[in-house]
Amino acid sequence: GAVVSQHPSRVICKSGTSVKIECRSLDFQATTMFWYRQFPKQSLMLMATSNEGSKATYEQGVEKDKFLINHASLTLSTLTVTSAHPEDSSFYICSARRAQETQYFGPGTRLLVL
Amino acid sequence: KNEVEQSPQNLTAQEGEFITINCSYSVGISALHWLQQHPGGGIVSLFMLSSGKKKHGRLIATINIQEKHSSLHITASHPRDSAVYICAAKIQGAQKLVFGQGTRLTINP
Repeated sequence: GAVVSQHPSRVICKSGTSVKIECRSLDFQATTMFWYRQFPKQSLMLMATSNEGSKATYEQGVEKDKFLINHASLTLSTLTVTSAHPEDSSFYICSARRAQETQYFGPGTRLLVL
Repeated sequence: KNEVEQSPQNLTAQEGEFITINCSYSVGISALHWLQQHPGGGIVSLFMLSSGKKKHGRLIATINIQEKHSSLHITASHPRDSAVYICAAKIQGAQKLVFGQGTRLTINP
Protein backbone atom coordinates (compact mmCIF):
# COMPACT_ATOMS: atom_id res chain seq x y z
CA GLY A 1 0.00 0.00 0.00
CA ALA A 2 0.89 3.65 -0.17
CA VAL A 3 3.41 4.99 2.32
CA VAL A 4 3.17 8.11 4.44
CA SER A 5 6.08 9.17 6.60
CA GLN A 6 6.30 11.58 9.50
CA HIS A 7 9.32 13.30 10.93
CA PRO A 8 10.31 13.40 13.67
CA SER A 9 8.84 10.30 15.27
CA ARG A 10 9.44 11.69 18.73
CA VAL A 11 10.30 15.16 19.99
CA ILE A 12 10.86 16.69 23.39
CA CYS A 13 10.92 20.46 23.66
CA LYS A 14 10.84 23.20 26.25
CA SER A 15 7.71 25.18 26.94
CA GLY A 16 7.49 28.25 24.74
CA THR A 17 9.39 26.85 21.79
CA SER A 18 7.93 25.92 18.41
CA VAL A 19 8.00 22.45 16.92
CA LYS A 20 7.55 21.51 13.26
CA ILE A 21 6.27 18.10 12.20
CA GLU A 22 6.54 16.96 8.59
CA CYS A 23 4.20 14.60 6.80
CA ARG A 24 5.21 13.19 3.44
CA SER A 25 3.45 10.93 0.98
CA LEU A 26 6.32 8.89 -0.42
CA ASP A 27 4.88 7.20 -3.46
CA PHE A 28 1.79 9.15 -4.44
CA GLN A 29 0.57 12.70 -4.76
CA ALA A 30 -1.80 13.61 -1.98
CA THR A 31 -4.48 16.10 -2.89
CA THR A 32 -5.62 16.20 0.72
CA MET A 33 -3.80 15.72 4.00
CA PHE A 34 -5.32 15.51 7.45
CA TRP A 35 -3.82 16.23 10.85
CA TYR A 36 -5.04 14.43 13.95
CA ARG A 37 -4.10 14.37 17.59
CA GLN A 38 -4.65 11.50 19.94
CA PHE A 39 -4.60 11.48 23.73
CA PRO A 40 -3.82 8.25 25.60
CA LYS A 41 -6.53 5.61 25.23
CA GLN A 42 -8.68 7.94 23.18
CA SER A 43 -9.59 7.95 19.53
CA LEU A 44 -8.15 10.25 16.92
CA MET A 45 -9.38 13.81 16.88
CA LEU A 46 -9.26 15.66 13.57
CA MET A 47 -7.48 18.99 13.89
CA ALA A 48 -7.50 20.24 10.32
CA THR A 49 -7.88 19.31 6.68
CA SER A 50 -5.30 20.59 4.26
CA ASN A 51 -5.65 20.80 0.48
CA GLU A 52 -2.54 21.48 -1.55
CA GLY A 53 -2.10 25.12 -2.38
CA SER A 54 -4.94 26.39 -0.22
CA LYS A 55 -5.44 27.32 3.41
CA ALA A 56 -6.18 24.56 5.86
CA THR A 57 -9.67 24.10 7.25
CA TYR A 58 -9.54 23.84 11.02
CA GLU A 59 -12.01 21.96 13.19
CA GLN A 60 -13.96 23.83 15.83
CA GLY A 61 -11.88 24.50 18.91
CA VAL A 62 -8.51 24.17 17.17
CA GLU A 63 -6.52 27.39 17.22
CA LYS A 64 -5.18 28.07 13.73
CA ASP A 65 -2.58 30.52 15.03
CA LYS A 66 -1.22 27.91 17.39
CA PHE A 67 -1.25 24.97 15.01
CA LEU A 68 0.10 26.29 11.72
CA ILE A 69 -0.43 24.00 8.75
CA ASN A 70 1.33 24.37 5.43
CA HIS A 71 0.59 22.11 2.46
CA ALA A 72 3.10 23.49 0.01
CA SER A 73 3.26 20.54 -2.36
CA LEU A 74 1.37 17.39 -3.26
CA THR A 75 3.76 15.30 -1.17
CA LEU A 76 4.46 17.46 1.89
CA SER A 77 2.42 19.01 4.66
CA THR A 78 3.82 20.50 7.85
CA LEU A 79 2.26 21.14 11.23
CA THR A 80 3.98 23.70 13.44
CA VAL A 81 3.00 23.85 17.09
CA THR A 82 3.85 27.41 18.09
CA SER A 83 4.77 28.43 21.62
CA ALA A 84 4.22 24.89 22.82
CA HIS A 85 2.90 24.25 26.30
CA PRO A 86 2.76 21.02 28.32
CA GLU A 87 -0.93 20.59 27.45
CA ASP A 88 0.11 20.33 23.78
CA SER A 89 1.90 17.08 24.60
CA SER A 90 0.16 14.46 22.54
CA PHE A 91 0.48 12.00 19.67
CA TYR A 92 0.09 13.77 16.33
CA ILE A 93 -0.84 11.74 13.26
CA CYS A 94 -1.18 12.79 9.67
CA SER A 95 -2.93 11.04 6.85
CA ALA A 96 -2.85 11.58 3.12
CA ARG A 97 -5.34 10.85 0.40
CA ARG A 98 -5.41 11.16 -3.37
CA ALA A 99 -8.72 11.89 -5.11
CA GLN A 100 -11.48 9.73 -3.59
CA GLU A 101 -9.26 6.90 -2.44
CA THR A 102 -8.61 5.64 1.06
CA GLN A 103 -6.62 7.64 3.59
CA TYR A 104 -3.11 6.40 4.37
CA PHE A 105 -1.85 7.19 7.83
CA GLY A 106 1.59 8.21 8.96
CA PRO A 107 3.35 6.51 11.87
CA GLY A 108 2.72 9.46 14.19
CA THR A 109 4.86 11.92 16.13
CA ARG A 110 4.95 11.85 19.90
CA LEU A 111 5.41 15.36 21.29
CA LEU A 112 6.40 15.98 24.89
CA VAL A 113 6.56 19.58 26.07
CA LEU A 114 8.43 20.10 29.31
CA LYS B 1 -24.52 9.26 21.37
CA ASN B 2 -21.54 9.00 19.05
CA GLU B 3 -22.19 8.87 15.31
CA VAL B 4 -19.97 5.78 15.12
CA GLU B 5 -20.16 3.14 17.83
CA GLN B 6 -17.96 0.09 18.20
CA SER B 7 -18.38 -3.03 20.26
CA PRO B 8 -16.91 -4.53 22.23
CA GLN B 9 -14.55 -1.92 23.71
CA ASN B 10 -12.19 -4.62 24.92
CA LEU B 11 -11.84 -8.18 23.74
CA THR B 12 -9.51 -10.89 25.00
CA ALA B 13 -9.33 -14.24 23.26
CA GLN B 14 -7.11 -17.28 22.90
CA GLU B 15 -4.91 -17.86 19.91
CA GLY B 16 -6.82 -19.50 17.11
CA GLU B 17 -10.23 -18.11 17.99
CA PHE B 18 -12.49 -16.41 15.45
CA ILE B 19 -12.83 -12.72 16.28
CA THR B 20 -15.66 -10.34 15.42
CA ILE B 21 -15.64 -6.61 16.03
CA ASN B 22 -18.76 -4.61 15.30
CA CYS B 23 -19.31 -1.05 14.13
CA SER B 24 -22.65 0.77 13.87
CA TYR B 25 -23.16 4.25 12.51
CA SER B 26 -26.10 6.63 12.51
CA VAL B 27 -25.27 8.94 9.61
CA GLY B 28 -25.15 8.63 5.84
CA ILE B 29 -21.73 7.52 4.71
CA SER B 30 -19.90 7.14 1.44
CA ALA B 31 -17.36 4.65 2.80
CA LEU B 32 -16.28 2.93 5.99
CA HIS B 33 -12.69 2.30 7.00
CA TRP B 34 -11.22 -0.31 9.30
CA LEU B 35 -7.91 0.71 10.84
CA GLN B 36 -5.40 -1.09 13.05
CA GLN B 37 -3.30 0.71 15.63
CA HIS B 38 -0.45 -1.11 17.31
CA PRO B 39 0.93 -0.14 20.75
CA GLY B 40 3.65 1.97 19.14
CA GLY B 41 0.92 4.19 17.74
CA GLY B 42 1.24 3.78 13.99
CA ILE B 43 -2.02 3.27 12.13
CA VAL B 44 -2.51 0.88 9.24
CA SER B 45 -5.51 1.14 6.96
CA LEU B 46 -6.96 -2.38 6.65
CA PHE B 47 -10.03 -1.88 4.50
CA MET B 48 -12.16 0.76 2.88
CA LEU B 49 -15.70 -0.48 2.16
CA SER B 50 -18.73 1.02 0.53
CA SER B 51 -20.69 -2.21 0.07
CA GLY B 52 -20.48 -5.97 0.43
CA LYS B 53 -17.43 -7.75 1.70
CA LYS B 54 -13.65 -7.60 1.39
CA LYS B 55 -11.04 -10.16 2.38
CA HIS B 56 -7.31 -9.82 2.92
CA GLY B 57 -5.49 -12.80 4.34
CA ARG B 58 -7.14 -13.73 7.64
CA LEU B 59 -9.11 -10.50 7.78
CA ILE B 60 -12.63 -10.10 6.45
CA ALA B 61 -14.70 -6.92 6.52
CA THR B 62 -18.40 -6.71 5.73
CA ILE B 63 -20.84 -3.86 5.55
CA ASN B 64 -24.64 -3.72 5.47
CA ILE B 65 -25.65 -0.30 4.21
CA GLN B 66 -29.35 -0.74 5.00
CA GLU B 67 -28.64 -1.71 8.59
CA LYS B 68 -25.77 0.81 8.94
CA HIS B 69 -23.51 -1.85 10.34
CA SER B 70 -20.08 -3.22 9.58
CA SER B 71 -18.07 -6.07 11.03
CA LEU B 72 -14.40 -6.95 11.03
CA HIS B 73 -13.58 -10.63 11.39
CA ILE B 74 -10.23 -12.24 12.11
CA THR B 75 -9.88 -15.94 11.46
CA ALA B 76 -7.29 -18.11 13.24
CA SER B 77 -6.30 -15.21 15.49
CA HIS B 78 -2.68 -14.83 16.54
CA PRO B 79 -0.97 -12.84 19.31
CA ARG B 80 0.43 -10.48 16.68
CA ASP B 81 -3.17 -9.45 15.90
CA SER B 82 -3.26 -7.77 19.32
CA ALA B 83 -3.93 -4.11 18.63
CA VAL B 84 -6.63 -1.48 18.72
CA TYR B 85 -9.06 -1.76 15.82
CA ILE B 86 -10.88 1.39 14.80
CA CYS B 87 -13.75 1.88 12.42
CA ALA B 88 -14.07 5.25 10.77
CA ALA B 89 -16.94 6.51 8.63
CA LYS B 90 -16.51 8.89 5.74
CA ILE B 91 -19.58 11.08 5.97
CA GLN B 92 -21.46 11.72 2.72
CA GLY B 93 -20.48 15.04 1.21
CA ALA B 94 -17.61 15.58 3.65
CA GLN B 95 -13.90 14.91 3.45
CA LYS B 96 -13.31 13.96 7.05
CA LEU B 97 -13.66 10.67 8.88
CA VAL B 98 -15.68 10.14 12.05
CA PHE B 99 -13.99 7.60 14.29
CA GLY B 100 -15.33 4.97 16.61
CA GLN B 101 -13.79 4.68 20.04
CA GLY B 102 -11.78 1.62 19.07
CA THR B 103 -11.73 -2.00 20.21
CA ARG B 104 -8.70 -3.15 22.15
CA LEU B 105 -8.02 -6.75 21.11
CA THR B 106 -5.67 -9.00 23.06
CA ILE B 107 -4.89 -12.47 21.76
CA ASN B 108 -3.22 -14.72 24.30
CA PRO B 109 -0.95 -17.57 23.20
